[in-house]
Amino acid sequence: DTAVSQTPKYLVTQMGNDKSIKCEQNLGHDTMYWYKQDSKKFLKIMFSYNNKELIINETVPNRFSPKSPDKAHLNLHINSLELGDSAVYFCASSQDLAGVEEQYFGPGTRLTVT
Amino acid sequence: AQKVTQAQTEISVVEKEDVTLDCVYETRDTTYYLFWYKQPPSGELVFLIRRNSFDEQNEISGRYSWNFQKSTSSFNFTITASQVVDSAVYFCALSEAASGSGGYQKVTFGIGTKLQVIP
Repeated sequence: DTAVSQTPKYLVTQMGNDKSIKCEQNLGHDTMYWYKQDSKKFLKIMFSYNNKELIINETVPNRFSPKSPDKAHLNLHINSLELGDSAVYFCASSQDLAGVEEQYFGPGTRLTVT
Repeated sequence: AQKVTQAQTEISVVEKEDVTLDCVYETRDTTYYLFWYKQPPSGELVFLIRRNSFDEQNEISGRYSWNFQKSTSSFNFTITASQVVDSAVYFCALSEAASGSGGYQKVTFGIGTKLQVIP
């Protein structure tokens, strides 16, 4: 069973389009995250949610809107896609916000904006 | 200043050599946690180890070992007798209280060290 799953794995789209990436975890964790990994492998947190509540928003453009319908799901919607949005997006989860336990990562979604 | 510094961006070693990946962190917290993750060419991120700030014991797991030294704010990772399967990007991460926190921790990743093990 996949602990943290993301769909789609690959996403190719044109500038200006709107797209969504879905994430689900079956670990019973309270906290979920979105990370962006650029072409240089730099991994930067975008958002974290705890029990469906937004906790961290790391100065991400408001074209990015996360939504957590329940604590097992954290989706990422991106409006008006730009070339600079091309990256790999990772969803992750952890037991809670205490930061003690490790994060479990999804397989990533490679977004290419043309 | 970076919270987590991985000064080695890329390292190449020949198989069976030992290699150490450096990680230096910066925090004002007395309670914090350090992690190492591995990202092989397939792309997924895999947890390797967690250390809390009160436990400076070194840890060994097979060919992997970690050296945590609070005096130098370092948490270095050594692979003994490296193998081609060790080729990956390795990330060090720090979990500390977020500024203005409501009691939650924030995790900051280093930029990663790309290790290439040549057969």
